[in-house]
Amino acid sequence: DGGITQSPKYLFRKEGQNVTLSCEQNLNHDAMYWYRQDPGQGLRLIYYSQIVNDFQKGDIAEGYSVSREKKESFPLTVTSAQKNPTAFYLCASSIARQGPGETQYFGPGTRLLVL
Amino acid sequence: GQQLNQSPQSMFIQEGEDVSMNCTSSSIFNTWLWYKQDPGEGPVLLIALYKAGELTSNGRLTAQFGITRKDSFLNISASIPSDVGIYFCAGSNNAGNMLTFGGGTRLMVKP
Repeated sequence: DGGITQSPKYLFRKEGQNVTLSCEQNLNHDAMYWYRQDPGQGLRLIYYSQIVNDFQKGDIAEGYSVSREKKESFPLTVTSAQKNPTAFYLCASSIARQGPGETQYFGPGTRLLVL
Repeated sequence: GQQLNQSPQSMFIQEGEDVSMNCTSSSIFNTWLWYKQDPGEGPVLLIALYKAGELTSNGRLTAQFGITRKDSFLNISASIPSDVGIYFCAGSNNAGNMLTFGGGTRLMVKP
């Protein structure tokens, strides 16, 4: 089945530790995105990538890093510089094209908790 | 930057009632999307709108792309308990396929 997978579903992080969240898609989409969602809040864009080996900062990139070495994978690293990492993290992908905005499809999310 | 105002923030309704929620923007969008998010899950696309004035239905859901291109609404008819969740609007203005999200409408349905 085609879709977006995120792992793990739950992740615990100790203070000062870096952790990496996985996002994989087999939809052959060019663009991938990472969002952060806090309780009762909307989605805020962390990073996005329109093409392999290229990515751009979103609205809240500080304390996060990404890589896009393969079209189907866009891992997010939450670094120790992110002082409030506890949140629900959502990965999305879309077909990148010019013209009207392309629909983004979301993965099931990863909930990150700081111990 | 762009902002989307989504209202109401929450609704608590009786099963069988109709529901209406809307989003307004300070600037023009060329695409409006409506998503539903169940607790602990990722948002799922409900309806996509690509043309000003467009009215699109998906079962009991109906959404419209406002003529001014600065607003959109979503209606749910004859609500059922499984409609419970958070509904998000999102708009795009061709800027690299980026979406701006509303703050969400939390819907609760009383059986």
